[in-house]
Amino acid sequence: NAGVTQTPKFRVLKTGQSMTLLCAQDMNHEYMYWYRQDPGMGLRLIHYSVGEGTTAKGEVPDGYNVSRLKKQNFLLGLESAAPSQTSVYFCASSPGMTSADSYEQYFGPGTRLTVT
Amino acid sequence: AQKVTQAQTEISVVEKEDVTLDCVYETRDTTYYLFWYKQPPSGELVFLIRRNSFDEQNEISGRYSWNFQKSTSSFNFTITASQVVDSAVYFCALSVMDSSYKLIFGSGTRLLVRP
Repeated sequence: NAGVTQTPKFRVLKTGQSMTLLCAQDMNHEYMYWYRQDPGMGLRLIHYSVGEGTTAKGEVPDGYNVSRLKKQNFLLGLESAAPSQTSVYFCASSPGMTSADSYEQYFGPGTRLTVT
Repeated sequence: AQKVTQAQTEISVVEKEDVTLDCVYETRDTTYYLFWYKQPPSGELVFLIRRNSFDEQNEISGRYSWNFQKSTSSFNFTITASQVVDSAVYFCALSVMDSSYKLIFGSGTRLLVRP
């Protein structure tokens, strides 16, 4: 089991460019999340999904879009990158309500994004 | 509203000292989960412990121990006989009781253990 993987690990963008971050999990988890981590602020939720084909906004959704076309993948898109989106992005997955471990979240290794 | 406060931004200790990391949470829910994660310099998040709101027993795992007190809404983490490898950022988190099961994180405490 690879667990939760994220692609790419590092990326540098120019302001206005677009990109997609890919998160994949092989644990058949229902729930998936995208967080961003900024210095001194802990992790904040961007968007999440409670199942294939569903998405919902988190605490800081502006400037991001997401898609969950397949259960195992959760994509985070930046349509027009801004320097304020320089951050470390973490993906996580969780079994959801059907499991006794529903509150457990498994994190990917992170993607470090710099927007110049 | 749910909130997690880690008031200690940075702590520096000498190896073999004991150190306690504080975590105070706010929630109106009676059922919730609390977590601690470790983020070493390599950047990944390492799960340490999960505790549900109905289990106030303290937990010990090797040099790590956790003290959960609902009366003060605190879930503190103690490292006994600290080691250089304990140097990391430690996050406390609260799982909210809505359909998202999302985590609310504290801002983290950076622990530096000096040799």
